[in-house]
Amino acid sequence: GENVEQHPSTLSVQEGDSAVIKCTYSDSASNYFPWYKQELGKGPQLIIDIRSNVGEKKDQRIAVTLNKTAKHFSLHITETQPEDSAVYFCAATSTYILTGGGNKLTFGTGTQLKVEL
Amino acid sequence: ETGVTQSPTHLIKTRGQQVTLRCSSQSGHNTVSWYQQALGQGPQFIFQYYREEENGRGNFPPRFSGLQFPNYSSELNVNALELDDSALYLCASSSTSGGPKGPRTDTQYFGPGTRLTVL
Repeated sequence: GENVEQHPSTLSVQEGDSAVIKCTYSDSASNYFPWYKQELGKGPQLIIDIRSNVGEKKDQRIAVTLNKTAKHFSLHITETQPEDSAVYFCAATSTYILTGGGNKLTFGTGTQLKVEL
Repeated sequence: ETGVTQSPTHLIKTRGQQVTLRCSSQSGHNTVSWYQQALGQGPQFIFQYYREEENGRGNFPPRFSGLQFPNYSSELNVNALELDDSALYLCASSSTSGGPKGPRTDTQYFGPGTRLTVL
């Protein structure tokens, strides 16, 4: 099955700096890679996603890159703000429903991002 | 807000008891997935429901079961609760549609979760 590794586990940056979180996956059948932000006591919130036919996607201060050959993808946050402080999870899945297998999201272990003033 | 709702928000049970958690999917979505998130960890897939049938299960024992109703809402039932079942239970709704290569499921949107504490 799929295995997703995420680094670093904690990341502390100064307000206005950039933050980068990296993930690797193992299953070449995975074709969809979402990133979720989770604040304390809340459910994960989708912030950006990328599909395997795209190498890069950007949405304002957030960007994601995907290298299918190396099986890794990264989240980039520029001009960080205190409200960016949260736990970030990468995930991988196949959007095709495999018989009896569903299309479960396999999550990384999370990165605690702290943006300091 | 995703439009995915879960109830109750918090629940305290004792070992051996049974619990039912509920999820209402986002409008237009027909697929519900359930995840368990232990403290400090990423969500772990329990199972997924599509067309009112279980469609894939993670590494969870049979005492974890579920239902999906015609309106696409879903229930997660856990029997014989154990201390290790204490966690945040998340449901995620998504849209599944047919395609040339078979059914495909799009983005999963999560609800706020139900915090279950087993004493």
